[in-house]
Amino acid sequence: DVKVTQSSRYLVKRTGEKVFLECVQDMDHENMFWYRQDPGLGLRLIYFSYDVKMKEKGDIPEGYSVSREKKERFSLILESASTNQTSMYLCASSPPNRHNEQFFGPGTRLTVL
Amino acid sequence: GESVGLHLPTLSVQEGDNSIINCAYSNSASDYFIWYKQESGKGPQFIIDIRSNMDKRQGQRVTVLLNKTVKHLSLQIAATQPGDSAVYFCAEGGGTSYGKLTFGQGTILTVHP
Repeated sequence: DVKVTQSSRYLVKRTGEKVFLECVQDMDHENMFWYRQDPGLGLRLIYFSYDVKMKEKGDIPEGYSVSREKKERFSLILESASTNQTSMYLCASSPPNRHNEQFFGPGTRLTVL
Repeated sequence: GESVGLHLPTLSVQEGDNSIINCAYSNSASDYFIWYKQESGKGPQFIIDIRSNMDKRQGQRVTVLLNKTVKHLSLQIAATQPGDSAVYFCAEGGGTSYGKLTFGQGTILTVHP
């Protein structure tokens, strides 16, 4: 079974802190994605990566950056956390021949105080 | 901008009934449409997809219908079970590569025993 793991289920940070959210997948998938999920807004794509060291902006990249140094790991970085970044963050990966079947991690609930 | 949305935010059914979850989309250039299921405390899970050149596709207890004339997508669940209770998201994949998806807002399905 594909497994996507995220470093924390719950995280509480203060405004202005630098925050790292880590995601690891064990199925050698090329594509990896970071979303945020907010009530009534569904899932919104922040960044995605289709290869090591490659990244593309999604729909809401402002205030975020990403890093993909290894194929299995995709990190989301909040350079200076703000209260409006309080959200559920979901990581996903997909194989090269099944782009529409994304495998999601359990999510990280981030609260910025 | 382009969007994917749902007609109904909540749906309650009795166990054993059939469920129909609807979705409206606006991007005529989408190549495929996908349904995901998200159970409480978990990340979304792929259910079924349909390519834009099809109008119906069946899976195990699920059927997806695509009406391109009115830009409407639906997910039918036969003999709904309590384990089907979840939030259901429709998503669309445009003509881009790397599996970038746009998700709708979600419908909450509650199945009463």
